[in-house]
Amino acid sequence: KQEVTQIPAALSVPEGENLVLNCSFTDSAIYNLQWFRQDPGKGLTSLLLIQSSQREQTSGRLNASLDKSSGRSTLYIAASQPGDSATYLCAVPNYGGSQGNLIFGKGTKLSVKP
Amino acid sequence: NAGVTQTPKFQVLKTGQSMTLQCAQDMNHEYMSWYRQDPGMGLRLIHYSVGAGITDQGEVPNGYNVSRSTTEDFPLRLLSAAPSQTSVYFCASSYGWSYEQYFGPGTRLTVT
Repeated sequence: KQEVTQIPAALSVPEGENLVLNCSFTDSAIYNLQWFRQDPGKGLTSLLLIQSSQREQTSGRLNASLDKSSGRSTLYIAASQPGDSATYLCAVPNYGGSQGNLIFGKGTKLSVKP
Repeated sequence: NAGVTQTPKFQVLKTGQSMTLQCAQDMNHEYMSWYRQDPGMGLRLIHYSVGAGITDQGEVPNGYNVSRSTTEDFPLRLLSAAPSQTSVYFCASSYGWSYEQYFGPGTRLTVT
């Protein structure tokens, strides 16, 4: 059964720092991996979708990498800003179970201090 | 495009009451799904649909019903609300199970 883990659960950094959020998964047979951002009391906003055939995907200050063989993905945020403060979730589609189901990690709560 | 919309934003129910959470999307997506998000449990799939007229159960379907009469709408019905159904409910849609998924803003439900 696929499991997705995100460590650390919380991270606090000063403004301007570059940072890396980690996501690991137990079954390397993934089709893609999606990173989301969730602000308090709000829905999930899709940040990046990285296909299994890709190693990297970039959007602005965000860069997601994927290493299927080691079961890991990282989300790199460059020059962090207070507005980046949110919970970041990674998720993979569930191959063998319910179609359309995403299996989520429990998220990393990021706080960027001015 | 409005994307994925959900109503209501907030709802308080008494135990035993029923209600319907509404979800609509205007992106012509075939796949739609409902998740609940609870502290410490993360997001869990309740029901999903791969197209109009086709629905199936997810991880935590008990106490909930769904139907999909149109591509755009995917309502979630609570048959007899219980305090254990206090949660935040999210609707999501995508072109297919392997495509990027888009989430609605959520409905925060409290059952007393």
